[in-house]
Amino acid sequence: DTGVSQDPRHKITKRGQNVTFRCDPISEHNRLYWYRQTLGQGPEFLTYFQNEAQLEKSRLLSDRFSAERPKGSFSTLEIQRTEQGDSAMYLCASSFQGGEQFFGPGTRLTVL
Amino acid sequence: EDQVTQSPEALRLQEGESSSLNCSYTVSGLRGLFWYRQDPGKGPEFLFTLYSAGEEKEKERLKATLTKKESFLHITAPKPEDSATYLCAPSRGNTPLVFGKGTRLSVIA
Repeated sequence: DTGVSQDPRHKITKRGQNVTFRCDPISEHNRLYWYRQTLGQGPEFLTYFQNEAQLEKSRLLSDRFSAERPKGSFSTLEIQRTEQGDSAMYLCASSFQGGEQFFGPGTRLTVL
Repeated sequence: EDQVTQSPEALRLQEGESSSLNCSYTVSGLRGLFWYRQDPGKGPEFLFTLYSAGEEKEKERLKATLTKKESFLHITAPKPEDSATYLCAPSRGNTPLVFGKGTRLSVIA
């Protein structure tokens, strides 16, 4: 097992464009989490899935954000009409039930 | 509302100078507390889970302890490669983690 992977590692986009990130969790993990992290802050929860069901969404997750986890495997996070305030590191983590969460390397988003 | 406070925000140590990082929390129904290490530009790396007050766990130069209201990460004789941001996150088990802002540790040779 190679751990949690995320793609792309870096994304630069112009304000107003749509972006999509992918996360592949550890294979035996049934939970998948998305977090956002800005400089000097800890990761902030966005949303999480148990298998294919999206169980919770943070107030941080505006209508422009959508996440999916088809078939309970990989997940995608899409941001529509990006804004400069969306610039951050987007982290994905996975766990088995409520156990330890293992993080991927993150996707660094820069919105110009 | 769950709150997590880590102190100090930044810590600069000479190589070999032992110290402790603090994580204070107000979380009802605590089921566990996680410690992570994060290097610049990378995702957090899992270090420890503590489940009950009085529990201790060790890994190389790091030892984590837990009380009912706070956790400590003790660093003994640190080396420059221990330089990183250390994050703590208490958990109620079936809810997402709430992270502190972290302590940025710099160990100078």
